[in-house]
Order: sequence, then structure tokens, then C-alpha cells
Amino acid sequence: DSGVTQTPKHLITATGQRVTLRCSPRSGDLSVYWYQQSLDQGLQFLIQYYNGEERAKGNILERFSAQQFPDLHSELNLSSLELGDSALYFCASSADGAGGDEQYFGPGTRLTVT
Amino acid sequence: GENVEQHPSTLSVQEGDSAVIKCTYSDSASNYFPWYKQELGKRPQLIIDIRSNVGEKKDQRIAVTLNKTAKHFSLHITETQPEDSAVYFCAAILDNYGQNFVFGPGTRLSVLP
Repeated sequence: DSGVTQTPKHLITATGQRVTLRCSPRSGDLSVYWYQQSLDQGLQFLIQYYNGEERAKGNILERFSAQQFPDLHSELNLSSLELGDSALYFCASSADGAGGDEQYFGPGTRLTVT
Repeated sequence: GENVEQHPSTLSVQEGDSAVIKCTYSDSASNYFPWYKQELGKRPQLIIDIRSNVGEKKDQRIAVTLNKTAKHFSLHITETQPEDSAVYFCAAILDNYGQNFVFGPGTRLSVLP
């Protein structure tokens, strides 16, 4: 158990819908990262937050947005969902925001768009 | 931006043999290179990492080497065991407030008993 929690574990929804994925970082970690892992694919970095502020942006679609709240939990919002958005979404956390420390991954949320 | 290639995509070895996975990166500014192991259905977990001011690092049966000039780094696993079977991801990261978080496509390692 990494100490990072993600809810829900599974999510099934229809095309065009909007969903919110939630992540709580390890106690004391200030940085949260979101990744997308499609079937048999690598980890695609989406976005990073550090202490409530956006720190780095990867290949995140305009239909996707995220935020980190004052209690440091983060939410990833996915809207106008398409079949290709079906994937495993991981959240990770680390102690600081510089990027050069270990990221602890949560168990992931499996999103299925039908 | 950064691009990370990883080879091979799949690797099968006999138990007790060594396994080597190689990654190349494109951005010479990247300075932190972690390796993550992801077992089937589980989360990625860091197994070893190396920074650009170090050429080699070892932790028991696992070692990583870095060649900054050639921009490639490798994971070496010796005396492989069935529990080493997993997908391994390398990454190249710019340790400067997160300008690069690029992972390789992964290598599926199978250790045959």
C-alpha cells in the first residue's frame, strides 16, 4: 500500500458524459501527478500540481482538467468522453514538486466508456 | 520535448539468467532517470533510480547504468526469479519543477522457471 488513495476503483459511463476522478496523496506529500495508461500502453503524463498550483502539463486534452484543493487532494475531470478515453488513470504523489523524487502511485481508476 | 525509447518491448529469460533493458532519451537536460516495475493489475512501483551526476547505481540484484554522452541508460537484473516477471518502465525527468515526465513504452519481462 503506497498511501495514495484513488476513488472510484472502476467507472463505466457513456460517450459524451463527464466524470470526476479523485486522489488523496500520501500524508505530507505536496505534489500530485495524473497519468493515463491505455491498454498495453505506457504511462502518459497528464498534469502535475504542487501545493494547490499547477506545476507541469503533459499531454492533457482540453476536455480534461484537474485541480488540487487546500487539503491537497486532487480531482481529474474528464468531459465529453470518447471511446478512446477508456483507460486506467493513475494518480501519484511525491514529497516536493521538483520532479526528482520518488512518485508513489495509487491503485488507479479504471474508466470504461461505452 | 523529451522522447524516451525502450528496448526490447518483450523479454523472456530463464530463471537465474540476467536481463537487460535499455532506454534512450532525447533531451540532454533530463537529469533524473527512475525505473518502475508494474506487476499485472497493480500500480507502478519505483525499483531504482539514478541521477545524471552518477554513472552507475546498484541495489542487490538490480543495477542501473547511465551514459550521458550517448543519452542512454540501462536496467540490469541478475539472478532473475519468477517474481521479477512484470512490465518495467523507464523515465527521463528534468528535476527542475517538472518540465519533463516522459516514460518509455515499457518492457514485458517473463522469467521462465
